[in-house]
Amino acid sequence: DTAVSQTPKYLVTQMGNDKSIKCEQNLGHDTMYWYKQDSKKFLKIMFSYNNKELIINETVPNRFSPKSPDKAHLNLHINSLELGDSAVYFCASSQKTGIVGAFFGQGTRLTVV
Amino acid sequence: GDSVTQMEGPVTLSEEAFLTINCTYTATGYPSLFWYVQYPGEGLQLLLKATKADDKGSNKGFEATYRKETTSFHLEKGSVQVSDSAVYFCALSVWGGATNKLIFGTGTLLAVQP
Repeated sequence: DTAVSQTPKYLVTQMGNDKSIKCEQNLGHDTMYWYKQDSKKFLKIMFSYNNKELIINETVPNRFSPKSPDKAHLNLHINSLELGDSAVYFCASSQKTGIVGAFFGQGTRLTVV
Repeated sequence: GDSVTQMEGPVTLSEEAFLTINCTYTATGYPSLFWYVQYPGEGLQLLLKATKADDKGSNKGFEATYRKETTSFHLEKGSVQVSDSAVYFCALSVWGGATNKLIFGTGTLLAVQP
């Protein structure tokens, strides 16, 4: 069983569209994250949720809206997609304290054309 | 603020060479330290971790020791293989009592040639 799974793996869409990426974890973790990895492989945290509550919201445009229906799921909805949104988006989960590290999904490669 | 600095790549080695990837950190609290590995086209995998000073994390022949006095967590491997070619990320996590943030370095590309 995959610990952290996200769908879709690839997403190609036109500018201005709205799209969603889904993430699910079966590890029983309380905390889930979204990270963005740019073309230079740099990883930047976007959001962190603990037990469905938004904990961290880095300086991310309002077009990005996370939603956590329960602590096992954290979805990312993006409105009015722009070329600069093209990146790989990773979902991750960890225990609340993060002491033992986080587990990552396989990533969603978003390409905006 | 909390941050991680790791050596820039790419690092190119021949098979069976010794590997060191340097990593230093700045943290306001007492962080846990990690190395993650990302193989081409894949997600990040936790390679090893250390949660307190002088701890040594090890996995798959890789090692790193938590050095509080030098705020470092350098990754080493005695004999690399072609299959070790990947991007390696140093990271820290600090629990602030209410929030936990996993912060990554910029990543180091390792290319091992046969």
